[in-house]
Amino acid sequence: QKEVEQNSGPLSVPEGAIASLNCTYSDRGSQSFFWYRQYSGKSPELIMSIYSNGDKEDGRFTAQLNKASQYVSLLIRDSQPSDSATYLCAARGDSSYKLIFGSGTRLLVRP
Amino acid sequence: DAGVIQSPRHEVTEMGQEVTLRCKPISGHNSLFWYRQTMMRGLELLIYFNNNVPIDDSGMPEDRFSAKMPNASFSTLKIQPSEPRDSAVYFCASRRRGGQGGLAGYNEQFFGPGTRLTVL
Repeated sequence: QKEVEQNSGPLSVPEGAIASLNCTYSDRGSQSFFWYRQYSGKSPELIMSIYSNGDKEDGRFTAQLNKASQYVSLLIRDSQPSDSATYLCAARGDSSYKLIFGSGTRLLVRP
Repeated sequence: DAGVIQSPRHEVTEMGQEVTLRCKPISGHNSLFWYRQTMMRGLELLIYFNNNVPIDDSGMPEDRFSAKMPNASFSTLKIQPSEPRDSAVYFCASRRRGGQGGLAGYNEQFFGPGTRLTVL
């Protein structure tokens, strides 16, 4: 059973801090990884994708991938209350069209 | 560009009734996915279409569920008869054609706003 694991949270951080969201996956063949943000009552919104080991930065967001440890993370710098949402991690296998989603981590940014 | 469009946004029906959910993928995307999201089970893939052809329907919970994609711009998910346990948010997502944007573009799925289904 291919799985993606996330801590459900909530992860509470003060405004302006760095929020660190983590995800592990069981399928060593996974090649593509995605972070989606989902506000309450809304649909998942793709915010980052990463394919290679290392860091990928986009504005205040940095995705980190370590395939050897089967670990993906998302860092949000200068966290804002508007970042409060559930963050879903997803993994796609090399030969699979399917995205396997984690259950999500709820982030709360305190003003 | 318009995103994925779904209708209706909310549906309330009584047990035993037929429900039809609709989806229009992003133009140029050749893959379409139907998901269901509940608090208990999270986001589950129901069915996947590629070039309008159903490739994997192993996530469809029962024969009461059926999905079609008659053309590249339209798909339906039908539940007949509906049951209270079908209450959930149903999302449609589409994925761009291979080759656009390289590997990254090929993998990314974009979600519609969802249909919140309540079966009484």
